[in-house]
Amino acid sequence: QSALTQPPSASGSPGQSVTISCTGTRKDVGGYNYVSWYQQYPGKAPKLIIYEVNKRPSGVPDRFSGSKSGNTASLTVSGLHDEDEADYYCSSYAGNNNLFGGGTKLTVL
Amino acid sequence: QVQLQESGPGLVKPSESLSLTCHVSGSSLNSIYYWGWIRQPPGEGLEWIGNVYRDGSRYYNPSLKSRVTISIDTSQNYFSLNLRSVTAADTAIYYCARVGRGYAIMDFDYWGQGRLVTVSS
Repeated sequence: QSALTQPPSASGSPGQSVTISCTGTRKDVGGYNYVSWYQQYPGKAPKLIIYEVNKRPSGVPDRFSGSKSGNTASLTVSGLHDEDEADYYCSSYAGNNNLFGGGTKLTVL
Repeated sequence: QVQLQESGPGLVKPSESLSLTCHVSGSSLNSIYYWGWIRQPPGEGLEWIGNVYRDGSRYYNPSLKSRVTISIDTSQNYFSLNLRSVTAADTAIYYCARVGRGYAIMDFDYWGQGRLVTVSS
């Protein structure tokens, strides 16, 4: 199975909102409500920020939100902060497989 | 606080086997959780390798299944990765992590810091 498709880059100014998409198929994103998102800073391990499409682990700010429509999931960062500049990866359960997206580099202008 | 730490050689020769160990503290491997390995080639995206449970149940990425074995030692609270017949394409940062909420295949809620393994002669 192919990796999920994400845009390589996204950007926004502080205070703005940015949405990152993650496109799969009916065999992964579209077939299950098991999409997650990770934030990764350079040289660091990924950190889980969204699971099961739209749930936030304890301690993750509520300006991070997730959604899904059909075969495409989305991560929205509202009210951008400088510290949101990082790489973001989506992931989806795919029936005995776990697929990741190629990652999106979010730049805060 | 759950902590994971990868250990093992940082350099492996082509055609040989890559072996890494993940020591876990703050959570027993005898609990309800699955434990997994993920890798990331330098400057690239993430790739799931596989997960293991306390009873030895395993799930592997189909693309790596023929070369991978993940094992677990609940008495010593660690689990291991063995990847056979490596090539330069296996050069990556290898992460160990805990699978969330007791699922066999799902998101990872706790991660190790990662171990860079380079395949080169």
